[in-house]
Amino acid sequence: QSALTQPASVSGSLGQSITISCTGTSGDVGSYNFVSWYQQHPGKAPKVMISEDSKRPAGVSNRFTGSKSGNTASLTISGLQAEDEADYYCCSFAGSRTLIFGGGTKLTVL
Amino acid sequence: QVQLQESGPGLVKPSQTLSLTCTVSGGSISRADYYWSWIRQPPGKGLEWIGYIYYSGNTFYNPSLKSRVTISVDTSKNQFSLNLSSVTAADTAVYYCARIPFGDYLFDYWGQGTLVTVSS
Repeated sequence: QSALTQPASVSGSLGQSITISCTGTSGDVGSYNFVSWYQQHPGKAPKVMISEDSKRPAGVSNRFTGSKSGNTASLTISGLQAEDEADYYCCSFAGSRTLIFGGGTKLTVL
Repeated sequence: QVQLQESGPGLVKPSQTLSLTCTVSGGSISRADYYWSWIRQPPGKGLEWIGYIYYSGNTFYNPSLKSRVTISVDTSKNQFSLNLSSVTAADTAVYYCARIPFGDYLFDYWGQGTLVTVSS
């Protein structure tokens, strides 16, 4: 069970949009509609931003959008704000009641 | 609103067993709607799922840790626990407990995390 693949870092300017990819396999991301995304600020616990590939939990800004194509899931953040600067992790159900995280992506807002 | 709080020793010696407890408040751990999970994060690194438990005691573990991990539940205390045996410095991490809605496979509520250092 290898970690899902995410870019180590992405950056974008205030007001712009960015997309973070999360690549898995046909055994995890590609087979189940259970990709979730988490935002983590330094020293804090992660917070769920997207569930079931593309659902936004109550209270999460509609600037956050999840999507998936094949074995790759994506998180798009539009209208970047300073408070979006954080680490982002994807997580997928991987069959046999197991879960797997991505390696994480550091988002820098310029 | 449900809250989770980790507790346990912050320092464990190599080869010993790491033991942590997560206390759940604001809701019953015995509800059939949820699993209860442990996740860890080595300093400066990413998240790693450890395992989860159902109130009935059914457990599911990360295959890479399965031989060393035991998760248990105490419904009378509204707590669940993690034991990780034969620890090494590589097990130094912030350990989080979290809730998983049954059948949804996401972590919707998290504890604040507790740092456990493995060192002699």
